[in-house]
Amino acid sequence: DQQVKQNSPSLSVQEGRISILNCDYTNSMFDYFLWYKKYPAEGPTFLISISSIKDKNEDGRFTVFLNKSAKHLSLHIVPSQPGDSAVYFCAASGETSGSRLTFGEGTQLTVNP
Amino acid sequence: GAGVSQTPSNKVTEKGKYVELRCDPISGHTALYWYRQSLGQGPEFLIYFQGTGAADDSGLPNDRFFAVRPEGSVSTLKIQRTERGDSAVYLCASSQLGQDEQYFGPGTRLTVT
Repeated sequence: DQQVKQNSPSLSVQEGRISILNCDYTNSMFDYFLWYKKYPAEGPTFLISISSIKDKNEDGRFTVFLNKSAKHLSLHIVPSQPGDSAVYFCAASGETSGSRLTFGEGTQLTVNP
Repeated sequence: GAGVSQTPSNKVTEKGKYVELRCDPISGHTALYWYRQSLGQGPEFLIYFQGTGAADDSGLPNDRFFAVRPEGSVSTLKIQRTERGDSAVYLCASSQLGQDEQYFGPGTRLTVT
């Protein structure tokens, strides 16, 4: 039972354009969502998060949008840079703290110069 | 400051052998998590410690897997009678009390031959 799904295994965009990575979830008890970036041979690095009481959170070039009714979230990166090329994981938790994270399968983003 | 560290970075073992994987969390982080990541998948939760005790071990796949955190800092994941299916990257993460963001180490790549 895949509770967090990232349906696009890969995405390719041109430098300077917007990257949009999508994530869907099925468990309505999830109330906190996170995005992680992962480079090869490294652990996932925390990028940005959003609580279910919000519908948008912005940090520099990164914005996460949450649509609770659709159980959908997305990560926007603008402008995209070649250094953003990595695997991006969406994750969700069901408590406000100290809870396991449930991850999606990941999306490989490639930003072409 | 120092991040989460994991040793060894790579471990190759024969089927049926016993292995120990070590995690040093960020200093002051009371919560510690173990995840397992197989190729092409997102990390999957194994076990969560709050202090010295395992608060949630429901992700451990079977009784060959065991983890300890005797002094509330360093943790060791132990796998008995390893099987080829145990081959994966084992990730450790830590977080502060009340914080949802988990910070990951680089992982240990376990290969069972």
